[in-house]
Amino acid sequence: EVVLTQSPDTLSLSPGERATLSCRASQSVSSNYLAWYQQKPGQAPRLLIYGASNRATGIPDRFSGSGSGTDFTLTISRLEPEDFAVYYCQQYGSSPRTFGQGTKVEIK
Amino acid sequence: EVQLVESGGGLVQPGGSLRVSCAASGFTFSSYAINWVRQAPGKGLEWVSAISGSGGATSYADSVKGRFTISRDNSKNTLSLQMNSLRAEDTAIYYCAKGTSAYYPYYFDYWGQGTLVTVSS
Repeated sequence: EVVLTQSPDTLSLSPGERATLSCRASQSVSSNYLAWYQQKPGQAPRLLIYGASNRATGIPDRFSGSGSGTDFTLTISRLEPEDFAVYYCQQYGSSPRTFGQGTKVEIK
Repeated sequence: EVQLVESGGGLVQPGGSLRVSCAASGFTFSSYAINWVRQAPGKGLEWVSAISGSGGATSYADSVKGRFTISRDNSKNTLSLQMNSLRAEDTAIYYCAKGTSAYYPYYFDYWGQGTLVTVSS
């Protein structure tokens, strides 16, 4: 099983600042099959990024994904008030599909 | 518009059974795999089970294997998860999530709002 470890657990930032979230895999993620999801309180997760770096439909370009192999990054270039949420990475290159434990981006 | 609507959650005693369902609309249901993902209160996401577009291939997390059964009715655009021998640690919101293809590998592009299953005496 591919274990995904996200860091940090919590990121305290102000609106307008840059957020950098990390996702590290215990083994190489096949074909960079790595996705990122955003979840706000009381809501279902929402797809942001797939294939490590491809933005999903309707996702603003302030969100970007990068990385390969075992190290992946989600960057939010300038935080908007609606971006404060929990972010999960997920690998879908091998079974079972696994999620990271999440990174909470909170208002400083 | 793609919609996934879960139902059937509730309170059940340890050792009991429950069936949760997911009604889909807005896409060609049989062309896509559908998964169940759960989230315990205040915790992260855990993949539970998957079924291919045709229903011919299923898979389960080790934590539920032998206790949960996933199925789909492509004529009614519905997905089900039969949960038996429920444990307290199965308490969670259960989400159905649409895959981006009929078969593995795929990510999840649409999620339902979830249904809460509580296992407690």
